[in-house]
Amino acid sequence: KQEVTQIPAALSVPEGENLVLNCSFTDSAIYNLQWFRQDPGKGLTSLLLIQSSQREQTSGRLNASLDKSSGRSTLYIAASQPGDSATYLCAVGIGSEKLVFGKGMKLTVNP
Amino acid sequence: DTGVSQDPRHKITKRGQNVTFRCDPISEHNRLYWYRQTLGQGPEFLTYFQNEAQLEKSRLLSDRFSAERPKGSFSTLEIQRTEQGDSAMYLCASSLEGGGTEAFFGQGTRLTVV
Repeated sequence: KQEVTQIPAALSVPEGENLVLNCSFTDSAIYNLQWFRQDPGKGLTSLLLIQSSQREQTSGRLNASLDKSSGRSTLYIAASQPGDSATYLCAVGIGSEKLVFGKGMKLTVNP
Repeated sequence: DTGVSQDPRHKITKRGQNVTFRCDPISEHNRLYWYRQTLGQGPEFLTYFQNEAQLEKSRLLSDRFSAERPKGSFSTLEIQRTEQGDSAMYLCASSLEGGGTEAFFGQGTRLTVV
Protein backbone atom coordinates (compact mmCIF):
# COMPACT_ATOMS: atom_id res chain seq x y z
CA LYS A 1 0.00 0.00 0.00
CA GLN A 2 1.37 3.38 -1.05
CA GLU A 3 2.08 5.74 1.82
CA VAL A 4 3.12 9.38 1.49
CA THR A 5 4.89 11.21 4.29
CA GLN A 6 5.60 14.89 4.73
CA ILE A 7 7.93 16.00 7.48
CA PRO A 8 7.81 18.34 9.32
CA ALA A 9 4.08 18.86 9.81
CA ALA A 10 4.58 22.59 10.30
CA LEU A 11 7.23 25.20 9.60
CA SER A 12 7.47 28.86 10.58
CA VAL A 13 10.08 31.06 8.89
CA PRO A 14 10.85 34.75 8.43
CA GLU A 15 10.11 36.38 5.11
CA GLY A 16 12.80 36.05 2.45
CA GLU A 17 14.09 32.60 3.34
CA ASN A 18 14.56 29.91 0.72
CA LEU A 19 12.60 26.82 1.73
CA VAL A 20 12.76 23.10 1.04
CA LEU A 21 9.66 20.99 1.65
CA ASN A 22 10.11 17.24 1.71
CA CYS A 23 7.86 14.41 0.56
CA SER A 24 8.58 10.68 0.62
CA PHE A 25 6.61 7.74 -0.75
CA THR A 26 6.95 4.02 -0.23
CA ASP A 27 6.25 2.58 -3.69
CA SER A 28 8.14 3.85 -6.73
CA ALA A 29 5.44 2.63 -9.15
CA ILE A 30 3.83 6.03 -9.68
CA TYR A 31 2.44 7.84 -12.72
CA ASN A 32 3.30 11.28 -11.46
CA LEU A 33 3.69 13.47 -8.41
CA GLN A 34 1.77 16.67 -7.77
CA TRP A 35 2.33 19.44 -5.29
CA PHE A 36 -0.72 21.37 -4.11
CA ARG A 37 -1.37 24.40 -1.97
CA GLN A 38 -4.40 24.62 0.33
CA ASP A 39 -5.54 27.76 2.08
CA PRO A 40 -7.67 27.38 5.25
CA GLY A 41 -11.15 26.09 4.47
CA LYS A 42 -10.47 26.06 0.74
CA GLY A 43 -9.88 23.53 -1.98
CA LEU A 44 -6.56 22.49 -3.49
CA THR A 45 -4.59 24.55 -5.98
CA SER A 46 -2.21 22.61 -8.19
CA LEU A 47 1.31 24.04 -8.07
CA LEU A 48 3.46 21.63 -10.04
CA LEU A 49 3.07 18.27 -11.75
CA ILE A 50 6.08 16.02 -12.34
CA GLN A 51 5.66 13.04 -14.60
CA SER A 52 7.32 9.81 -13.51
CA SER A 53 9.85 10.14 -16.34
CA GLN A 54 10.85 13.67 -15.32
CA ARG A 55 13.32 14.84 -12.72
CA GLU A 56 12.06 18.34 -12.02
CA GLN A 57 9.61 21.08 -12.88
CA THR A 58 9.76 24.82 -12.33
CA SER A 59 7.12 27.52 -12.07
CA GLY A 60 8.14 31.00 -10.99
CA ARG A 61 9.69 30.82 -7.52
CA LEU A 62 8.81 27.14 -7.20
CA ASN A 63 10.93 24.18 -8.21
CA ALA A 64 9.99 20.56 -7.59
CA SER A 65 12.26 17.56 -8.02
CA LEU A 66 11.50 13.87 -8.16
CA ASP A 67 13.74 10.90 -7.37
CA LYS A 68 11.61 7.83 -7.97
CA SER A 69 14.28 5.32 -7.04
CA SER A 70 14.64 6.76 -3.55
CA GLY A 71 10.94 7.61 -3.20
CA ARG A 72 11.49 11.32 -2.61
CA SER A 73 10.39 14.69 -3.87
CA THR A 74 11.28 18.16 -2.74
CA LEU A 75 9.52 21.47 -3.31
CA TYR A 76 11.84 24.44 -3.27
CA ILE A 77 10.35 27.88 -2.61
CA ALA A 78 12.67 30.79 -3.31
CA ALA A 79 12.50 34.08 -1.42
CA SER A 80 9.44 33.17 0.64
CA GLN A 81 6.69 35.78 1.16
CA PRO A 82 3.85 36.06 3.71
CA GLY A 83 1.44 35.21 0.88
CA ASP A 84 3.09 31.79 0.64
CA SER A 85 1.59 30.89 4.03
CA ALA A 86 -0.64 27.86 3.47
CA THR A 87 -0.64 24.08 3.77
CA TYR A 88 1.39 22.32 1.10
CA LEU A 89 0.34 18.83 0.08
CA CYS A 90 2.25 16.24 -1.89
CA ALA A 91 0.37 13.53 -3.80
CA VAL A 92 1.43 10.60 -5.98
CA GLY A 93 -0.66 9.26 -8.84
CA ILE A 94 -1.03 5.48 -8.77
CA GLY A 95 -2.91 2.66 -10.48
CA SER A 96 -6.16 4.13 -11.71
CA GLU A 97 -4.49 7.52 -11.48
CA LYS A 98 -6.13 8.35 -8.20
CA LEU A 99 -3.94 10.41 -5.92
CA VAL A 100 -2.51 9.31 -2.60
CA PHE A 101 -1.80 12.32 -0.40
CA GLY A 102 0.47 13.10 2.47
CA LYS A 103 -0.96 14.90 5.48
CA GLY A 104 0.53 18.19 4.37
CA MET A 105 2.93 20.71 5.82
CA LYS A 106 1.60 23.97 7.27
CA LEU A 107 3.88 26.83 6.30
CA THR A 108 3.83 30.21 8.04
CA VAL A 109 5.97 33.00 6.59
CA ASN A 110 6.32 35.87 9.04
CA PRO A 111 6.75 39.46 7.79
CA ASP B 1 -14.06 27.82 -18.28
CA THR B 2 -13.92 28.65 -14.57
CA GLY B 3 -12.50 25.35 -13.32
CA VAL B 4 -14.10 22.69 -11.15
CA SER B 5 -17.23 23.94 -9.41
CA GLN B 6 -18.82 22.42 -6.31
CA ASP B 7 -22.16 23.18 -4.71
CA PRO B 8 -22.97 23.88 -1.94
CA ARG B 9 -19.81 25.23 -0.33
CA HIS B 10 -21.12 24.53 3.15
CA LYS B 11 -23.81 22.19 4.47
CA ILE B 12 -24.99 21.71 8.03
CA THR B 13 -27.35 18.82 8.56
CA LYS B 14 -28.84 16.87 11.42
CA ARG B 15 -27.74 13.32 12.04
CA GLY B 16 -29.87 10.88 10.10
CA GLN B 17 -30.70 13.26 7.24
CA ASN B 18 -29.70 12.69 3.63
CA VAL B 19 -27.47 15.16 1.80
CA THR B 20 -26.43 15.54 -1.84
CA PHE B 21 -23.47 17.41 -3.26
CA ARG B 22 -22.85 18.43 -6.84
CA CYS B 23 -19.64 18.74 -8.83
CA ASP B 24 -19.24 20.30 -12.27
CA PRO B 25 -15.85 19.35 -13.76
CA ILE B 26 -13.81 21.23 -16.32
CA SER B 27 -15.81 20.72 -19.49
CA GLU B 28 -13.33 18.73 -21.57
CA HIS B 29 -12.25 16.47 -18.69
CA ASN B 30 -13.62 12.94 -18.89
CA ARG B 31 -12.33 11.81 -15.49
CA LEU B 32 -13.95 12.91 -12.27
CA TYR B 33 -12.84 12.02 -8.74
CA TRP B 34 -14.32 12.42 -5.27
CA TYR B 35 -12.10 12.72 -2.19
CA ARG B 36 -12.82 13.28 1.49
CA GLN B 37 -10.62 15.33 3.79
CA THR B 38 -10.88 15.45 7.57
CA LEU B 39 -9.17 18.01 9.77
CA GLY B 40 -5.39 17.76 9.76
CA GLN B 41 -5.34 14.99 7.16
CA GLY B 42 -4.68 14.82 3.46
CA PRO B 43 -7.57 14.05 1.10
CA GLU B 44 -8.53 10.38 0.78
CA PHE B 45 -9.83 8.85 -2.43
CA LEU B 46 -13.50 7.84 -2.48
CA THR B 47 -14.42 7.05 -6.08
CA TYR B 48 -13.83 7.99 -9.70
CA PHE B 49 -15.63 8.09 -13.01
CA GLN B 50 -14.45 7.91 -16.55
CA ASN B 51 -17.22 9.54 -18.53
CA GLU B 52 -20.42 8.09 -17.01
CA ALA B 53 -18.86 4.84 -15.77
CA GLN B 54 -17.92 4.53 -12.11
CA LEU B 55 -14.69 2.55 -12.32
CA GLU B 56 -13.43 2.36 -8.77
CA LYS B 57 -14.79 2.77 -5.25
CA SER B 58 -12.79 2.96 -2.06
CA ARG B 59 -13.64 0.86 0.97
CA LEU B 60 -14.25 4.23 2.64
CA LEU B 61 -17.39 4.50 0.52
CA SER B 62 -19.90 2.65 2.68
CA ASP B 63 -23.31 1.60 1.39
CA ARG B 64 -24.72 4.88 2.70
CA PHE B 65 -22.73 6.70 0.01
CA SER B 66 -23.66 6.74 -3.65
CA ALA B 67 -22.20 8.70 -6.53
CA GLU B 68 -23.47 9.22 -10.04
CA ARG B 69 -22.32 10.94 -13.18
CA PRO B 70 -25.21 10.86 -15.64
CA LYS B 71 -24.23 11.57 -19.23
CA GLY B 72 -20.61 11.95 -18.21
CA SER B 73 -20.96 15.59 -17.22
CA PHE B 74 -21.67 16.76 -13.66
CA SER B 75 -21.56 14.34 -10.73
CA THR B 76 -23.51 14.01 -7.50
CA LEU B 77 -22.45 12.43 -4.23
CA GLU B 78 -25.25 11.45 -1.88
CA ILE B 79 -24.88 10.45 1.74
CA GLN B 80 -27.87 8.75 3.32
CA ARG B 81 -28.58 8.65 7.06
CA THR B 82 -25.69 10.95 7.87
CA GLU B 83 -23.55 10.29 10.94
CA GLN B 84 -21.28 12.65 12.86
CA GLY B 85 -18.28 10.81 11.45
CA ASP B 86 -19.30 11.97 7.98
CA SER B 87 -18.35 15.54 8.89
CA ALA B 88 -15.53 16.45 6.52
CA MET B 89 -14.59 18.43 3.43
CA TYR B 90 -15.72 16.65 0.26
CA LEU B 91 -13.50 17.50 -2.68
CA CYS B 92 -14.12 16.90 -6.35
CA ALA B 93 -11.37 16.80 -8.97
CA SER B 94 -11.27 16.31 -12.71
CA SER B 95 -8.62 15.45 -15.27
CA LEU B 96 -8.13 14.35 -18.83
CA GLU B 97 -7.79 10.66 -19.55
CA GLY B 98 -4.27 9.38 -19.93
CA GLY B 99 -1.32 8.43 -17.81
CA GLY B 100 -0.20 11.04 -15.38
CA THR B 101 -2.43 13.94 -16.30
CA GLU B 102 -2.86 16.86 -13.94
CA ALA B 103 -5.80 16.82 -11.54
CA PHE B 104 -7.69 20.05 -10.83
CA PHE B 105 -9.73 20.40 -7.66
CA GLY B 106 -12.82 22.36 -6.76
CA GLN B 107 -13.26 24.47 -3.63
CA GLY B 108 -14.92 21.60 -1.79
CA THR B 109 -18.13 21.15 0.18
CA ARG B 110 -17.74 21.40 3.94
CA LEU B 111 -20.24 19.05 5.63
CA THR B 112 -21.06 19.38 9.31
CA VAL B 113 -23.35 16.78 10.87
CA VAL B 114 -24.86 17.89 14.19
